[in-house]
Amino acid sequence: EAQVTQNPRYLITVTGKKLTVTCSQNMNHEYMSWYRQDPGLGLRQIYYSMNVEVTDKGDVPEGYKVSRKEKRNFPLILESPSPNQTSLYFCASSSGTGVSGYTFGSGTRLTVV
Amino acid sequence: GEDVEQSLFLSVREGDSSVINCTYTDSSSTYLYWYKQEPGAGLQLLTYIFSNMDMKQDQRLTVLLNKKDKHLSLRIADTQTGDSAIYFCAERIGYSTLTFGKGTMLLVSP
Repeated sequence: EAQVTQNPRYLITVTGKKLTVTCSQNMNHEYMSWYRQDPGLGLRQIYYSMNVEVTDKGDVPEGYKVSRKEKRNFPLILESPSPNQTSLYFCASSSGTGVSGYTFGSGTRLTVV
Repeated sequence: GEDVEQSLFLSVREGDSSVINCTYTDSSSTYLYWYKQEPGAGLQLLTYIFSNMDMKQDQRLTVLLNKKDKHLSLRIADTQTGDSAIYFCAERIGYSTLTFGKGTMLLVSP
């Protein structure tokens, strides 16, 4: 089944403790992206990647890192999480061709206390 | 990023039609999309329209695009309680970026 898999689904952590949210897609998509969703703010793009080793900042990149060492994986790294990073995070992938929109993962709800 | 604006809330009765509106700002958008998010779930692609089209119909869904006014709408015919969700419009610029609106919460009452 074609899908984007994120882990974990839920995570509670403390301020300053480094964490990684993993994302993997099995569709051989070139493009991958991370979004955060906050009430009243909709979805905002954090980082995106156009191919292996090619990443770029989205609208809200501060406090986040990403890497794209393999085509299928695009982890989101919070080196020193803060409470304002409490949010619902979505990973998404796209072939980037034709009509393709993004296929989204199920989301990771992160709480930083 | 570019702005995509949507009304935040819409309430309809079961069996009525729902119309969710969206405005966008970037005239270079290639495709425009409608996504649906049910509670506790990710975003599901509902439908799309290419920027050189005026209308697209897909079963109960009708998308209208007014490119001059940069206005997009999604009409759901015979709305059901299962259609209750948040609906996002999004514009695609280039190959890699989707810019989303804040979402419209549709509440369908019996």
